[in-house]
Amino acid sequence: VQLVQSGAEVKKPGASVKVSCKASGYTFTSNAIHWVRQAPGQRFEWMGWISIGNGNTKYSEKFQGRVTITRDTSANTAYMELSSLRSEDTAIYYCARDTFYQPNQSYMDVWGKGTTVNVSS
Amino acid sequence: EIVLTQSPDFQSVTPKEKVTITCRASQSIGITLHWYQQKADQSPKLLIKFASQSISGVPSRFSASGSGTDFTLTINSLEVEDAATYYCHQSRSLPPTFGQGTKLEI
Repeated sequence: VQLVQSGAEVKKPGASVKVSCKASGYTFTSNAIHWVRQAPGQRFEWMGWISIGNGNTKYSEKFQGRVTITRDTSANTAYMELSSLRSEDTAIYYCARDTFYQPNQSYMDVWGKGTTVNVSS
Repeated sequence: EIVLTQSPDFQSVTPKEKVTITCRASQSIGITLHWYQQKADQSPKLLIKFASQSISGVPSRFSASGSGTDFTLTINSLEVEDAATYYCHQSRSLPPTFGQGTKLEI
């Protein structure tokens, strides 16, 4: 089981970033995918999840309106787009597989290697 | 939001030592508490699920216990390769949250 994320990004304030997460080694539609970020010196911060099989999503209130999580089942890939970027969004963004089709007090068992997003003018 | 507080934040340890890390939740979360290990420049690796359940492939020196609000991760006979930051994570309620991490220096 592997989650391969897209490469590092450098963005200006106000721009958007879209990070991809390509899954392999399991049936992509059987599990949900979470997006979690870790800013320098900060805790891991959950952003949202998508149930790959039915497309249902759930977002953190903190990011509601700025984050969009989608998936392309034909490409075994999940995406996280964050808009209106500011310097505080500089972080490593991870995708992580949930053990359930749709998260329900379940846990993340496999993580991608992370994508560094640097927001700087 | 449920806040998880780990202690200690940092510990300097020696090989073969026994290490205990605690995680306290701001409200009861049953056993929906999981532990991860993150080595430098790597992504988190699952060590323990649901408070005390072992994960295939994880060395048996890692064990955990607890329920409700108080949880413990124990590493018996520490090895050099265990140098990492350890995080607890709750999945009881949204948003899922994480502890601040405990860094072990060996």
